[in-house]
Amino acid sequence: DAGVTQSPTHLIKTRGQQVTLRCSPKSGHDTVSWYQQALGQGPQFIFQYYEEEERQRGNFPDRFSGHQFPNYSSELNVNALLLGDSALYLCASTLGPGGRFYEQYFGPGTRLTVT
Amino acid sequence: AQSVTQLGSHVSVSEGALVLLRCNYSSSVPPYLFWYVQYPNQGLQLLLKYTTGATLVKGINGFEAEFKKSETSFHLTKPSAHMSDAAEYFCAVSGSTGNQFYFGTGTSLTVIP
Repeated sequence: DAGVTQSPTHLIKTRGQQVTLRCSPKSGHDTVSWYQQALGQGPQFIFQYYEEEERQRGNFPDRFSGHQFPNYSSELNVNALLLGDSALYLCASTLGPGGRFYEQYFGPGTRLTVT
Repeated sequence: AQSVTQLGSHVSVSEGALVLLRCNYSSSVPPYLFWYVQYPNQGLQLLLKYTTGATLVKGINGFEAEFKKSETSFHLTKPSAHMSDAAEYFCAVSGSTGNQFYFGTGTSLTVIP
């Protein structure tokens, strides 16, 4: 049973650039959430996608955007990168309508470094 | 709105000793409460969760937690620490409607041989 997968594992970008991170949900799951985990902090909810639409959003600027594909995989896009965007980005998947967070499965994350 | 406070960013215990990691929550609606563990360079793994029903929840790897509404607490315990328990532990809360999901800042557990 394939778990949540994320790519790439590590990424280094320069301030002002744009980045795209990818996530494939656990087999059978249809809802994807994205989190930002800064060093030494707990994960912070960015947004959640279900049925190819953004269903929930945390307190993140519009520079953070996403997409969900018909196969339920998802992308996180961050524009105009800032040094403060350096973090571990986690993807989590669930089964069911948006909001059923209690069955979340997390991927290993993508480590983004902005220089 | 919901929030979580984890008391103690670092906890050290001897192998075989009791593990106690503290979590207090704030929620304007009946909460769902969770404990996750994160090993280095890995994602989060669910240890246990409380949604409704029995307030003492048993999870994986011998961990358990008790939901105490009067104290707004959800502390994580394990009777006997093992070296493999060394990791970062996160408490999280979600409203019963499932809107948003808030993590604490984490507690790093060190197990001393």
